[in-house]
Amino acid sequence: AQRVTQPEKLLSVFKGAPVELKCNYSYSGSPELFWYVQYSRQRLQLLLRHISRESIKGFTADLNKGETSFHLKKPFAQEEDSAMYYCALSGQGSGAGSYQLTFGKGTKLSVIP
Amino acid sequence: GAGVSQSPSNKVTEKGKDVELRCDPISGHTALYWYRQSLGQGLEFLIYFQGNSAPDKSGLPSDRFSAERTGGSVSTLTIQRTQQEDSAVYLCASSSDYQSTDTQYFGPGTRLTVL
Repeated sequence: AQRVTQPEKLLSVFKGAPVELKCNYSYSGSPELFWYVQYSRQRLQLLLRHISRESIKGFTADLNKGETSFHLKKPFAQEEDSAMYYCALSGQGSGAGSYQLTFGKGTKLSVIP
Repeated sequence: GAGVSQSPSNKVTEKGKDVELRCDPISGHTALYWYRQSLGQGLEFLIYFQGNSAPDKSGLPSDRFSAERTGGSVSTLTIQRTQQEDSAVYLCASSSDYQSTDTQYFGPGTRLTVL
């Protein structure tokens, strides 16, 4: 069974400090991994995905297949980064073409001014 | 363009009543997903639609839950004989295709409260 684990429910950092949000997964196969973010009173939205190897809003995430991790990092936290962050894995469901997301329980990031 | 929309935004109902939640996906998106976000359980997959293919219902928690997608567009999630444990935010998402790497775009959700 596929599973995503985010060990921290809450992470508080000071503005300008580095941020690392942890994510570990279990999946038998080649996973597709994502980070979604939900800002206060906004809808859930994609932040980045591993296949794109991109940096969005200063965030990066590297897929480590050996450690089955996909940690989200940012060198200098900003107040506007305060939000709920979800790590997600896309796995094939029971139907052809069914790629539902399996989410971790989320980490609430609070950036202290 | 318009994103995924859901209605109602809030629904309060009494235990035992039936409820219908509606989702309008992004125009042209062929894949549609329903998820549930509840305290303690996080975000859980419920059901998936793709074109005329049989839906993937593997995430539905009980036979009180059902969903339809009419004309390959609007979808309705129905919960019969609601229970207090059904209280949650129900999210709909759509994507332009059905690849594992496709971005899923989420609606604002319907907050369901069962008294």
